[in-house]
Amino acid sequence: DVKVTQSSRYLVKRTGEKVFLECVQDMDHENMFWYRQDPGLGLRLIYFSYDVKMKEKGDIPEGYSVSREKKERFSLILESASTNQTSMYLCASSGVYGYTFGSGTRLTVV
Amino acid sequence: RKEVEQDPGPFNVPEGATVAFNCTYSNSASQSFFWYRQDCRKEPKLLMSVYSSGNEDGRFTAQLNRASQYISLLIRDSKLSDSATYLCVVNGRTNAGKSTFGDGTTLTVKP
Repeated sequence: DVKVTQSSRYLVKRTGEKVFLECVQDMDHENMFWYRQDPGLGLRLIYFSYDVKMKEKGDIPEGYSVSREKKERFSLILESASTNQTSMYLCASSGVYGYTFGSGTRLTVV
Repeated sequence: RKEVEQDPGPFNVPEGATVAFNCTYSNSASQSFFWYRQDCRKEPKLLMSVYSSGNEDGRFTAQLNRASQYISLLIRDSKLSDSATYLCVVNGRTNAGKSTFGDGTTLTVKP
């Protein structure tokens, strides 16, 4: 069964901390994505990547960066966490048959 | 105007009912279409792809109308377990690169 694995299910961090969210896929997909999902706002694209070491900004990249050093791994970095970054973060990879999502990381910034 | 629009609902229906959702998209060059299902506090999961000829999977039927730029999902004989949010997804490239997600339609099936 194909999988996208996110390193943490729940995370609590303090304001100002640097936060790393890790995502690994085993489908050899080239395309990977980071979304955040908030009630009433749907899925919002933060960053995506079409290849190793390649990244493109999505709709809401401010306050985030990403890293793709290996094809299977796509990391989301919150440079200095703020309370408005409290959210559900979803990683996904995509191929011919659409997107496969990880189970999400619920991040709380206090 | 959003690229992909869905009626947010909620749709509240009794068990056994037939319910239909529509989704409109603005980019006429869109090439691939999907319906995803998202349960509460879970990740979205692919329900079915949508083809020009329409496709059916058990109680679920998906249709594409390119002329009017909408896709639909029909659920027959609704079950309690169908309660979820249904997301419409539209992609401009056939290789499912960067897709656009609708905000979802919430369905609650009641006994």
